[in-house]
Amino acid sequence: DAGVTQSPTHLIKTRGQQVTLRCSPKSGHDTVSWYQQALGQGPQFIFQYYEEEERQRGNFPDRFSGHQFPNYSSELNVNALLLGDSALYLCASSPDRGWVEQYFGPGTRLTVT
Amino acid sequence: AQKITQTQPGMFVQEKEAVTLDCTYDTSDQSYGLFWYKQPSSGEMIFLIYQGSYDEQNATEGRYSLNFQKARKSANLVISASQLGDSAMYFCAMREAYNTGNQFYFGTGTSLTVIP
Repeated sequence: DAGVTQSPTHLIKTRGQQVTLRCSPKSGHDTVSWYQQALGQGPQFIFQYYEEEERQRGNFPDRFSGHQFPNYSSELNVNALLLGDSALYLCASSPDRGWVEQYFGPGTRLTVT
Repeated sequence: AQKITQTQPGMFVQEKEAVTLDCTYDTSDQSYGLFWYKQPSSGEMIFLIYQGSYDEQNATEGRYSLNFQKARKSANLVISASQLGDSAMYFCAMREAYNTGNQFYFGTGTSLTVIP
């Protein structure tokens, strides 16, 4: 049973560019959350998707957007990249009724130069 | 105010000894959950243990136990019989049932190094 998968593993972009990160949830999970983890910090909640809609959003600007597909996989899009967007981006999946279960993927390391 | 506070940036423990990692939290919600995650250098967050706000017993999972003191709003992680593989970052996290529902709040983490 595959866990949460993310692609790509690493990514280097230039300021002002746009980036798309991808996540496939664990089998049986229908909810996907995205987190940003800057170096030396804990993960910060970006948003959560359920039934193809953004259900909840953290304190991130509109440059951060997402999408969830019918197969529950998800994308995180970041526009007009800033140097400060350099971070590890973690995807987590959970069953909608699962209060405790939240499984994380290995993350995508984004470097903005 | 910070929802989760971890005041120990780094900790060292001798192999086979026990270690306590501190975590305090702040919430006005009556129903919430507290979590501990381990993050090795590979980056993946690994779930260790969970404590519900209404649970009367402290949670235990193998060598991990959570020392839950509700009145003090603390949820310390105790690792018994430390192993070299325990060296990693450890994050305390909280989820509120009503205030913010689906959002997990994480602390800044504690780096644990197990010394042979």
